[in-house]
Amino acid sequence: GIQVEQSPPDLILQEGANSTLRCNFSDSVNNLQWFHQNPWGQLINLFYIPSGTKQNGRLSATTVATERYSLLYISSSQTTDSGVYFCAVGGKSTFGDGTTLTVKP
Amino acid sequence: DTEVTQTPKHLVMGMTNKKSLKCEQHMGHRAMYWYKQKAKKPPELMFVYSYEKLSINESVPSRFSPECPNSSLLNLHLHALQPEDSALYLCASSETHPYGYTFGSGTRLTVV
Repeated sequence: GIQVEQSPPDLILQEGANSTLRCNFSDSVNNLQWFHQNPWGQLINLFYIPSGTKQNGRLSATTVATERYSLLYISSSQTTDSGVYFCAVGGKSTFGDGTTLTVKP
Repeated sequence: DTEVTQTPKHLVMGMTNKKSLKCEQHMGHRAMYWYKQKAKKPPELMFVYSYEKLSINESVPSRFSPECPNSSLLNLHLHALQPEDSALYLCASSETHPYGYTFGSGTRLTVV
């Protein structure tokens, strides 16, 4: 099956800082999603982005399908951005291991 | 209504019990999913229903039995579970498979 690698595994930021999370995948895909899981376990869909660039407020994402990677940008981070960020890829929406983000006040 | 509702939120069951998890959505989505998530791990796909038919079963043990009675409702029937089955069980839906999931808040299952 498809392999999904996310980096970095852990990230600690001060409030207001910017960050970039990466998702690499092993095969061509027509489906890629980014999710945020909050400390209570709720998974929120941030982007459905099989290719191209999308922006939603302080978040944006870019997927370069030909090079098999996607990036999630978080600008001006807030403490409420803390949690685990997952990318999910492919027809079975295989999840990467996630990036755990901690934003300190 | 843009929610996926899962009940119960918490469940403790013995290894000889039979219980069911319920998932409901009223967004007109035609694909519904069950995922299992262990602590500190990513969600793992269990089942996919597309247009009320089971389309993917990820070699899940038969003690987990899914059911899709109609396009809005998804059940997961549990029987003779093991303690290692304790996990967060997540339901999701999407307009069609496999695009743009909306997840429910999950059922935290403990098997004793």
